[in-house]
Amino acid sequence: DVKVTQSSRYLVKRTGEKVFLECVQDMDHENMFWYRQDPGLGLRLIYFSYDVKMKEKGDIPEGYSVSREKKERFSLILESASTNQTSMYLCASSPGGNGNTIYFGEGSWLTVV
Amino acid sequence: AQSVSQHNHHVILSEAASLELGCNYSYGGTVNLFWYVQYPGQHLQLLLKYFSGDPLVKGIKGFEAEFIKSKFSFNLRKPSVQWSDTAEYFCAVNFYNTDKLIFGTGTRLQVFP
Repeated sequence: DVKVTQSSRYLVKRTGEKVFLECVQDMDHENMFWYRQDPGLGLRLIYFSYDVKMKEKGDIPEGYSVSREKKERFSLILESASTNQTSMYLCASSPGGNGNTIYFGEGSWLTVV
Repeated sequence: AQSVSQHNHHVILSEAASLELGCNYSYGGTVNLFWYVQYPGQHLQLLLKYFSGDPLVKGIKGFEAEFIKSKFSFNLRKPSVQWSDTAEYFCAVNFYNTDKLIFGTGTRLQVFP
């Protein structure tokens, strides 16, 4: 079974703090993704990476950055957390190639106060 | 712009009722289509997917979906729902030659015994 593991299920951070969300996958997948999920808005893509040290902006990259130093690990960074970044963050991975299934982690609930 | 629409935001059914959830996408080219389900407190799971071939696709737990190219639609169906189908359902589209999935806003299904 594919396993996508997000390091923290629940976090509470203060406005202005730097926040790291970590994600690890164990299936040697080329692609990794960060989405945020908000009620009524579905899942929106923040960033994705198709190879080590490679990244592309998704639909809502503002206020976020990412790091992929190793193939299995993809980190989402909030440089200065704000209350409008309170959300559920989902990491996902997939093999390279067109149309492969994307596998999701359990999500990280981030509350910024 | 590429987009995915789910017109039913909240559906309430009694057990044994039939279910149909709508999904439409905006792009006219080649697509791969997915339905994901998120049970309360759990991660997103793949319900079914369409890449090519028979436009009627069968998935897990008795779900099926039909791809109608002329209508840009991929509606999800189940002839008789159960209480355990209570969940949020997301339609997603992978537009040809990209590895990104674009999600709809989701449909919350509540099934009462």
